[in-house]
Amino acid sequence: GAVVSQHPSWVICKSGTSVKIECRSLDFQATTMFWYRQFPKQSLMLMATSNEGSKATYEQGVEKDKFLINHASLTLSTLTVTSAHPEDSSFYICSARALDRDGEKLFFGSGTQLSVL
Amino acid sequence: QKEVEQDPGPLSVPEGAIVSLNCTYSNSAFQYFMWYRQYSRKGPELLMYTYSSGNKEDGRFTAQVDKSSKYISLFIRDSQPSDSATYLCAMSPNQGGKLIFGQGTELSVKP
Repeated sequence: GAVVSQHPSWVICKSGTSVKIECRSLDFQATTMFWYRQFPKQSLMLMATSNEGSKATYEQGVEKDKFLINHASLTLSTLTVTSAHPEDSSFYICSARALDRDGEKLFFGSGTQLSVL
Repeated sequence: QKEVEQDPGPLSVPEGAIVSLNCTYSNSAFQYFMWYRQYSRKGPELLMYTYSSGNKEDGRFTAQVDKSSKYISLFIRDSQPSDSATYLCAMSPNQGGKLIFGQGTELSVKP
């Protein structure tokens, strides 16, 4: 399947600082990427849809000013958690659509564990 | 009622057992059905992808979709300790569209 690279895999930061997470499609171009959040023992919650060259679409209840998404190229989307607080500590995962023999599918990055102290 | 219901488990089986994982859903518009495997602190890995009703087999894995009952299943034959992970069902009304996930079932295969 297609490869989606996510970096960093884990990050620890102080409360009030900003953290940037990168998501790259390595062997294909992704006009659309998705950002998810996952708490322990829970399923993935879609936060926003990232569209190359345009503004991201956020799900209801997700603060646009807190979770800044930039999709400046066909292979890179970034999520910046601004002024992070302990309640933002979570596992963040990106995904991208790619075509394979069965059709268009969603492939995921390896995730980023964010811990805010 | 959630759109997709999945028993969170945990489910513990001995090595070599046949595992059955299931999801039910309420939205009849769902056409594309997927199963993902997620190891602890890793991103989900696509295991099976099916369109509409029917069966699909890939090695030790078989996915079944029964749209009339709004019920999907994943069977794992000859389960191995390396199959220990959380299994998430996901579905979408259109190809490549927004996925709705189940809660995930935590599976443990004991040697």
